[in-house]
Amino acid sequence: NFMLTQPHSVSESPGKTVTISCTRSSGSIASNYVQWYQQRPGSSPTTVIYEDNQRPSGVPDRFSGSIDNSSNSASLTISGLKTEDEADYYCQSYDYRNRVFGGGTQLTVL
Amino acid sequence: QLQLQESGPGLVKPSETLSLTCTVSGGSISSSSYYWGWIRQPPGKGLEWIGSIYYSGSTYYNPSLKSRVTKSVDTSKNQFSLKLSSVTAADTAVYYCARELRTHNFDYWGQGTLVTVSS
Repeated sequence: NFMLTQPHSVSESPGKTVTISCTRSSGSIASNYVQWYQQRPGSSPTTVIYEDNQRPSGVPDRFSGSIDNSSNSASLTISGLKTEDEADYYCQSYDYRNRVFGGGTQLTVL
Repeated sequence: QLQLQESGPGLVKPSETLSLTCTVSGGSISSSSYYWGWIRQPPGKGLEWIGSIYYSGSTYYNPSLKSRVTKSVDTSKNQFSLKLSSVTAADTAVYYCARELRTHNFDYWGQGTLVTVSS
């Protein structure tokens, strides 16, 4: 079974750009799609990126996803940060029989 | 609009079995396009996938929980269920049910239900 490792927390100022990484411990990051979820306090998670780099309808184009084979990691980039982006973000991927979530990253917009 | 709603006891005693049901409305659980999953989140911690079930009954479980988990689907009621046996305080969490696409994105989630394991 593999693990997805995320930084515990990141912080940035409004209007700036932040990138959250998600590193896969074994197996190629490119072999299976990566999803990213946003979870605000007291709410259920919602998808902000699916299939590595696709945005669901209603998610602003300030959110983007990418894959880096060299570091075996995925990244979520949020540009033009707003205070409403402050939340926990989780990456998620899978292999043949398992689904795995990263440990989550707390984003503070200050 | 698809909706999922978890239901079940909010308090379970240690060593007993936790049982939860997810009722799906606004769509059919029998569609071959989806899996139906359970995810949990201990207080103040991250998300943990418990398992997923296909409408045909095929099941996929987190290896760390596999020996204690049973999932089932009732297409006549448009529901799927989770049973977790021999619970301990470590199983205290908010339990979510969710729809899972064939690409393994969980695109619709229930509101979650807090289950506390305590005597």
